Amino acid sequence: QLQVQESGPGLVKPSETLSLTCNVSGGSTFTANHYWSWLRQPPGKGLEWIGSIYYTGSTYYNPSLKSRVTVSLDMSKNQFSLKLNYMTAADTAVYHCAGGSVSMAPLGACYFPLWGRGTLVTVSS
Amino acid sequence: DIQMTQSPSTLSASIGDRVTITCRASQSFSDWLAWYQQKPGKAPKLLIYRASTLQTGVASRFSGSGSGTEFTLTITNLQPDDFATYYCQQYNTYSLTFGGGTKVEI
Repeated sequence: QLQVQESGPGLVKPSETLSLTCNVSGGSTFTANHYWSWLRQPPGKGLEWIGSIYYTGSTYYNPSLKSRVTVSLDMSKNQFSLKLNYMTAADTAVYHCAGGSVSMAPLGACYFPLWGRGTLVTVSS
Repeated sequence: DIQMTQSPSTLSASIGDRVTITCRASQSFSDWLAWYQQKPGKAPKLLIYRASTLQTGVASRFSGSGSGTEFTLTITNLQPDDFATYYCQQYNTYSLTFGGGTKVEI
């Protein structure tokens, strides 16, 4: 059964870079079936898509975060990662990794049948 | 970006009720819309994709409809397990966006 699980620090200082990793188990990241994605949810608020990567290396980013975000894929480790630069208090959120389905979706777009449990990242000095 | 607006933001209902949640898009698209259920402290769960296709394993009391700029999620015979927050998500373009959420409470 395909599963994803986030790992990374729970506390980041303002202006620093957040680095999170998502481990994929029960299947391979070398697949045409999924966009490997990151989403986040500030406490008490709604969901926000951050960015996605395809096994070809193509990346797609939220325009509002594009200047600060990098999503990368390490197929040898069956992992994908998120880097978010210049963190501020507004970036405090639960960060989820997810597998986005490409089935029955336009090119570059996806919906999310597979989610990690999420990890809370707090930005504070 | 396509903006998604959900209504209502909160909905009070009783067991056995039929409830409808609406999601309106800032621009028209066909049926590239998904619905999720989220409970406190948990990851969202996909209920419906392609506006009306039920995800495998999801109870048949959930249904979706719509196209263009207006989409609806309907829950018939509301069950105790259905009290949660529901989100719509458009995937018409790669710039994915979610509605603000609808909390269904007792």
